[in-house]
Amino acid sequence: SQQGEEDPQALSIQEGENATMNCSYKTSINNLQWYRQNSGRGLVHLILIRSNEREKHSGRLRVTLDTSKKSSSLLITASRAADTASYFCAPSTSGGSYIPTFGRGTSLIVHP
Amino acid sequence: ETGVTQTPRHLVMGMTNKKSLKCEQHLGHNAMYWYKQSAKKPLELMFVYSLEERVENNSVPSRFSPECPNSSHLFLHLHTLQPEDSALYLCASSPGSSGTGELFFGEGSRLTVL
Repeated sequence: SQQGEEDPQALSIQEGENATMNCSYKTSINNLQWYRQNSGRGLVHLILIRSNEREKHSGRLRVTLDTSKKSSSLLITASRAADTASYFCAPSTSGGSYIPTFGRGTSLIVHP
Repeated sequence: ETGVTQTPRHLVMGMTNKKSLKCEQHLGHNAMYWYKQSAKKPLELMFVYSLEERVENNSVPSRFSPECPNSSHLFLHLHTLQPEDSALYLCASSPGSSGTGELFFGEGSRLTVL
């Protein structure tokens, strides 16, 4: 298993703006997943991108993956106050059993 | 509602107490996980069970003792804890090797050790 590193650690924006957060990892992956966590709650799966995909959309979410740079980004467009949460990436290593590990996440605050 | 239920949601215990956290899933998943989340730290993987067998024990102190009596239930038995063990304990499940690795988390148990 390997841990993703999210960047920045904290992000503060106004409602309506776009929020971009990044994830870097170290070794080859099968897929990469993004999760969201509201304060003091469990994590919720947002989106999965496979290693052979470069971009994926889900509603206001856009995820990109660059396997040559071992990085991924999560873009939230037209952000809302309800998007305030921490966001985590979880890369899945190629081969073997998948045991997800997480970094510190990006703490996003969207001001109304 | 993710299909993973954790109880209790909040627990306060003294250092000499014995308590247990419970996790239950009715998703038909084969793998279950315990994570610990402390302030300002990455989410720490503690234990992994696959088909009721422990497949990962991430150097967790013996005062934490997991139990997986069947594929739907996972317990974390707590004994002689330290104040630094205060944290949010998250349980998760996944389909296991047949899936993509997507995790389904419970809402967590907030533990305070006095």
